[in-house]
Amino acid sequence: EIVLTQSPGTLSLSPGERATLSCRASQSVSSSFLAWYQQKPGQAPRLLIYGASSRATGIPDRFSGSGSGTDFTLTISRLEPEDFAVYYCQQYGSSPPKTFGQGTKVEIK
Amino acid sequence: QVQLQESGPGLVKPSETLSLTCTVSGGSLSGYYWSWIRQPPGKGLEWIGYIYYSGSTNYNPSLKSRVTISVDTSKNQFSLNLSSVTAADTAVYYCARGQLLFNFWGQGTLVTVSS
Repeated sequence: EIVLTQSPGTLSLSPGERATLSCRASQSVSSSFLAWYQQKPGQAPRLLIYGASSRATGIPDRFSGSGSGTDFTLTISRLEPEDFAVYYCQQYGSSPPKTFGQGTKVEIK
Repeated sequence: QVQLQESGPGLVKPSETLSLTCTVSGGSLSGYYWSWIRQPPGKGLEWIGYIYYSGSTNYNPSLKSRVTISVDTSKNQFSLNLSSVTAADTAVYYCARGQLLFNFWGQGTLVTVSS
């Protein structure tokens, strides 16, 4: 089973700042099958990024993903008020299970 | 726009079976995979398993001995049964569309395991 470790656990930033979130895998994620989700309190997760760097439908271009192998990054270029949430990475390249990271909370400083 | 809605008991006794149903509207089950994912309070996400509309399934190895996912295409529903539950199974349970990626989700339903 691939274990995903996200850092930092919490990121305290102000609106307009740049957010950089990290996701590290315990072994290489095949074909960059790495996704990112956003979850707000009381809501289901929303798919942001798939294939490590492709934005899902309707996702603003301030969200970008990068990385390969075992190291992946989600960048939010300029934080909007609605971006303060918890972000999860997920790998879907290996046999079951499809595992998620433990999450990074982006909070208002 | 596809919409998913979970339904079922919010309280289950230890050692009993948790049963949830997901009703899909605005689209058909046909041609897609459908998954169950759970989230213990204040914690991260755990994929439980998926079913193809034709009935083939795949489960998380850590839960495989206790999980059954089934589909009823006539009702546009799929279901989750999780047997022999303990307090560790207390979580918000989500249904979602997808096998690898999950782009449509239900709102989630909290299931508490307690006597």
